[in-house]
Amino acid sequence: QVQLQESGPGLVKPSGTLSLTCAVSGASIRTGNWWSWVRQTPGKGLEWIGEIFYSGKTNYNPSLKRPVTISIDKSRNEFSLSLPSVTAADTAVYYCARINGRGYYFDFWGQGSLVTVSS
Amino acid sequence: VLTQSPGTLSLSPGDTASLSCRASQAVDSTYLAWYQQKPGQAPRLLIYGASSRAAGIPDRFVGSGSGTDFTLTINKLEPGDFAVYYCQQFGNSPAYTFGQGTRLE
Repeated sequence: QVQLQESGPGLVKPSGTLSLTCAVSGASIRTGNWWSWVRQTPGKGLEWIGEIFYSGKTNYNPSLKRPVTISIDKSRNEFSLSLPSVTAADTAVYYCARINGRGYYFDFWGQGSLVTVSS
Repeated sequence: VLTQSPGTLSLSPGDTASLSCRASQAVDSTYLAWYQQKPGQAPRLLIYGASSRAAGIPDRFVGSGSGTDFTLTINKLEPGDFAVYYCQQFGNSPAYTFGQGTRLE
């Protein structure tokens, strides 16, 4: 069974950088799947942030309008999210998820990590 | 844009729920999925390819539709079915979008 687990600071100061890591177990991150970050807020619901393939190729949601970075560490079987210049609007539950390459849906999810942006 | 209706659906155990997901542009059925989310939990994949059930999902959950109109039908509601349901598509930029959700209470 594929399992994902987010980790990272639960509190980030405004204008700082939000950094999260997703550890994958039960499957190799080198498989032919994309690995993704999704966030959820009461106001905007579920929002896709971006994705990464094991080769390092990435795609991002242009609505974020910031240089979001998703990176991958194949040796540790994990991938990470870096979101700079955060504001209170970035307060959300952040999920990492695997994208099934056959149909481009999210078949396995982490439990979620609440990140609050506040001074 | 995916628009789900109704926003809230009030039913009882044993009833049949019909949840709608309407797309602003035609969606390839291959790329339409449904999720269930309970409080404090991550979304759980129910349906992919508009009508295929994910592993372990009972056949009470039925996905249908094509083009711009998709439906999730839940037959013989059980207490554990009361949750929020989201549809999701893969398409143009942004690559992945979700509906705003239907709360089944």
